[in-house]
Amino acid sequence: QKEVEQDPGPLSVPEGAIVSLNCTYSNSAFQYFMWYRQYSRKGPELLMYTYSSGNKEDGRFTAQVDKSSKYISLFIRDSQPSDSATYLCANLIQGAQKLVFGQGTRLTINP
Amino acid sequence: DAGVIQSPRHEVTEMGQEVTLRCKPISGHNSLFWYRQTMMRGLELLIYFNNNVPIDDSGMPEDRFSAKMPNASFSTLKIQPSEPRDSAVYFCASRPETGFWEQYFGPGTRLTVT
Repeated sequence: QKEVEQDPGPLSVPEGAIVSLNCTYSNSAFQYFMWYRQYSRKGPELLMYTYSSGNKEDGRFTAQVDKSSKYISLFIRDSQPSDSATYLCANLIQGAQKLVFGQGTRLTINP
Repeated sequence: DAGVIQSPRHEVTEMGQEVTLRCKPISGHNSLFWYRQTMMRGLELLIYFNNNVPIDDSGMPEDRFSAKMPNASFSTLKIQPSEPRDSAVYFCASRPETGFWEQYFGPGTRLTVT
């Protein structure tokens, strides 16, 4: 079993829809939870991070962590074609150095 | 800030040849990471450095792979000899000492071994 599981998709939704992207993880020691966005033929870029459980909002993006169920989510409101990318979740144990990435979910927003 | 710089952006080589990938991290960052990304395996950490010192190379697949960081502004990943299964996109990322959760990725080197 991988430490971080993510459905690779692809996921295709119409413009304006609410998008939900999810990951599950197995290591309860993870404390930091990140979402990276990767456009085609580009490197991943940090979108959001959350420490421990709870929600964090940044514009149209909301990251949610439920440590009790080891489930993390990224919600995108009013999705735009420019949101089309691969989204990778990444987890980190506090004090550790290595990010553990999910497989990434490929998202397409159709105009 | 120029961001993380990688070269070459594309490399096509024949099996058995030596390949050297280069990375210049963001100035002031003290950690550097080398990743490999494929459709099948996703993003895999190969090796990382702190203050130019290799800390964990457990992700390096075989002895054919080696990495160096001679100074704070330059790192190389070498594959010798290369094999077709090494074909992938190789990313370099750097991280500041504070903000240990954030890594800044370069544009990647797309390697094709024929």
